[in-house]
Amino acid sequence: GENVEQHPSTLSVQEGDSAVIKCTYSDSASNYFPWYKQELGKRPQLIIDIRSNVGEKKDQRIAVTLNKTAKHFSLHITETQPEDSAVYFCAALTNTNAGKSTFGDGTTLTVKP
Amino acid sequence: DAGVIQSPRHEVTEMGQEVTLRCKPISGHDYLFWYRQTMMRGLELLIYFNNNVPIDDSGMPEDRFSAKMPNASFSTLKIQPSEPRDSAVYFCASSLVLVSGYYGYTFGSGTRLTVV
Repeated sequence: GENVEQHPSTLSVQEGDSAVIKCTYSDSASNYFPWYKQELGKRPQLIIDIRSNVGEKKDQRIAVTLNKTAKHFSLHITETQPEDSAVYFCAALTNTNAGKSTFGDGTTLTVKP
Repeated sequence: DAGVIQSPRHEVTEMGQEVTLRCKPISGHDYLFWYRQTMMRGLELLIYFNNNVPIDDSGMPEDRFSAKMPNASFSTLKIQPSEPRDSAVYFCASSLVLVSGYYGYTFGSGTRLTVV
């Protein structure tokens, strides 16, 4: 089955710096890659996603890139703010898994003011 | 849309008691997922349904856990008998699949279960 590895497990940056979280996946048939943000004590929420026919997608300060050949995708957050502090999960989904996403283990991002 | 609705938000129960968690997915979503989250094990998929039919229950820890989805707007996760190691936050999530492809999950607010 699909396996998703996420790095780093923890990341600390100064406010205003950029943050990058990377994920690799094993199933070349995976075609949908969402990212979720989970603030302390709250639910995971979808913040951005990318499909396999697209190499990059941006939404204000966040962007996601996908390299299908290398089977990895990354989340980029620019001009980080304290409210970006949260746990971020990547996920991969393939048609063969019939709707089930495989999640990474999460990255705890801390933005220091 | 009120989103995915879970109840109760918090549940404290004694070991050995039956616990029932409830979930109402977003109307029109055809997938429903039950996850458990702990610090030690992270986010674990317990079971998921497609059009009310259980597709994969391999994540259900043991026979003490059961889940049902009697209709498109309601699902339950039951633990009987409950044990202290079942203490966790249980999330329900729903999602939609269209011709254009899959879409991300919408999670409920979760149920924080404490078994003493």
